[in-house]
Amino acid sequence: QKEVEQNSGPLSVPEGAIASLNCTYSDRGSQSFFWYRQYSGKSPELIMSIYSNGDKEDGRFTAQLNKASQYVSLLIRDSQPSDSATYLCAVNRASVMRDMRFGAGTRLTVKP
Amino acid sequence: DTGVSQDPRHKITKRGQNVTFRCDPISEHNRLYWYRQTLGQGPEFLTYFQNEAQLEKSRLLSDRFSAERPKGSFSTLEIQRTEQGDSAMYLCASSSYLWATTDTQYFGPGTRLTVL
Repeated sequence: QKEVEQNSGPLSVPEGAIASLNCTYSDRGSQSFFWYRQYSGKSPELIMSIYSNGDKEDGRFTAQLNKASQYVSLLIRDSQPSDSATYLCAVNRASVMRDMRFGAGTRLTVKP
Repeated sequence: DTGVSQDPRHKITKRGQNVTFRCDPISEHNRLYWYRQTLGQGPEFLTYFQNEAQLEKSRLLSDRFSAERPKGSFSTLEIQRTEQGDSAMYLCASSSYLWATTDTQYFGPGTRLTVL
């Protein structure tokens, strides 16, 4: 079992729709969770972080965390073609080692 | 530009050669991380520093890899005797870790290494 799992996609949504990206993680002690966006050939760019169960909204983005289910998601409302990218879920483990574990990413395409 | 910078952005080398990459973190950040990313995968942790101390190294970091952060500012990652399997994007990230348990990392543009 991978430590952080995401559907690889591609996920295709029409412009203006809601895109839903999902992520599960295996380390029950994980404390912080991040969503990064990565355009092709570029480095990851932080979109949102979430640390507590529930929802966190920032503009068109909403992150949802359920620690009991070990599940974190990202909703993108009013999707735009510029949102087309790979979205990486990252989890910061609660062990001594402070590295962040990334999923392989979900490729999102927003069609005009 | 106050973000994380990396140099060079691209490096092409022949198998067996040594290469060195540099990372300059965001100035007030005390933590610096190195990751490696191959096509279709998420970044894989290699090592990190808190100030000048190298606190953790991944099992992925073979003896051919060495990283330094001598003054707690910029860092270098050296790969000796490069192999074709070393071809990847090498990413540097920095964070400001104080007393909280959160650790938000900001990435640099990366160095793309191609080993021929």
